[in-house]
Amino acid sequence: DSGVTQTPKHLITATGQRVTLRCSPRSGDLSVYWYQQSLDQGLQFLIQYYNGEERAKGNILERFSAQQFPDLHSELNLSSLELGDSALYFCASSVAGSETQYFGPGTRLLVL
Amino acid sequence: DAKTTQPPSMDCAEGRAANLPCNHSTISGNEYVYWYRQIHSQGPQYIIHGLKNNETNEMASLIITEDRKSSTLILPHATLRDTAVYYCIVRVRESGGGADGLTFGKGTHLIIQP
Repeated sequence: DSGVTQTPKHLITATGQRVTLRCSPRSGDLSVYWYQQSLDQGLQFLIQYYNGEERAKGNILERFSAQQFPDLHSELNLSSLELGDSALYFCASSVAGSETQYFGPGTRLLVL
Repeated sequence: DAKTTQPPSMDCAEGRAANLPCNHSTISGNEYVYWYRQIHSQGPQYIIHGLKNNETNEMASLIITEDRKSSTLILPHATLRDTAVYYCIVRVRESGGGADGLTFGKGTHLIIQP
């Protein structure tokens, strides 16, 4: 158990819909990262937040957004969903100044 | 981040040492070598990292060549639970506001045979 929690574990929705994925980092970790893992693209970094502020962006689509709240939990919002958005979404956290990232169990999203 | 090259798959007998190679010939002086693994559809798990000295922890050992152009992750007594995809990642060590996102390649699929 990494100490990072993600909800929900599974999500099934339809094209065009919007969903929100939630992540709670390890106690004391200030940085939260989001990753997407699909069969054809592998594990890809989407976005990072540090202490409530966006710090780095990866291959995140404009239809996707994220935020980190004062209690340091984070949400990833996916809108106008397409079939190709079906994937595993992982959240990771790290202590400020540490490059070791601890990953949550993931949310499996299926868009029908 | 420097590019890494890993074999796509490897087999190892249970109880034997698993040696996973990684080439990173373009590594810069301030880049570290990190290893993560992902057991089927679970979140990636940090294993070990190093700069130039060999490192060992409770999970594995990391051997980095003197020229730092390659490294080997060693699982001393592989078990069936070590079957996973192993990722070698080379990156600069961040400070202050945390590290950037990791760049995962395709990794090595290690299969431990009973």
